[in-house]
Amino acid sequence: GENVEQHPSTLSVQEGDSAVIKCTYSDSASNYFPWYKQELGKRPQLIIDIRSNVGEKKDQRIAVTLNKTAKHFSLHITETQPEDSAVYFCAASMRAGGSYIPTFGRGTSLIVHP
Amino acid sequence: GAVVSQHPSWVICKSGTSVKIECRSLDFQATTMFWYRQFPKQSLMLMATSNEGSKATYEQGVEKDKFLINHASLTLSTLTVTSAHPEDSSFYICSASKSSEQYFGPGTRLTVT
Repeated sequence: GENVEQHPSTLSVQEGDSAVIKCTYSDSASNYFPWYKQELGKRPQLIIDIRSNVGEKKDQRIAVTLNKTAKHFSLHITETQPEDSAVYFCAASMRAGGSYIPTFGRGTSLIVHP
Repeated sequence: GAVVSQHPSWVICKSGTSVKIECRSLDFQATTMFWYRQFPKQSLMLMATSNEGSKATYEQGVEKDKFLINHASLTLSTLTVTSAHPEDSSFYICSASKSSEQYFGPGTRLTVT
């Protein structure tokens, strides 16, 4: 089955700095890579995603890059703000039957110090 | 939008009783729903994948007779924790898929005393 590794497990930055979270996956059949943000006590929220036919995607301060050959993808947050503090999960999804089945990374706890 | 509701948001039950958790997609039809368990400061552990009208597919190590899943319609899936024990206490989250995207419910905090 698919295996997703996520690093680092904890990331502490100063407000205004950039943050980068990296994930690797093992199964080349995975072709959809979403990122979720989970604030304490709340549900995971989809913040950005990328498909295997795209190398990079950007949405304001958030960007995701994908290297299919190396089987890794990264989340980049620029100009971090205290409200960016949360746990971030990456996932690698592949189509199985009529559905996309995700495999999640272990999560990265991002702490942005004001 | 893509809104998923989950009920109840929290429940306390006595050991040996059963608890049912509902997951609903409010504004879209979800052919697939997922049930996760999340321990404090840990990742989402997939328990089972539920397709409307068919039996759920359970992940290895998840007891299907203990965690009963029913996906009765394109907008409703239920998880019943049977004969709950304190070790079943956890945060249970469902998600519903709309094409490739998944949308999560708010979660249910289960405490078994």
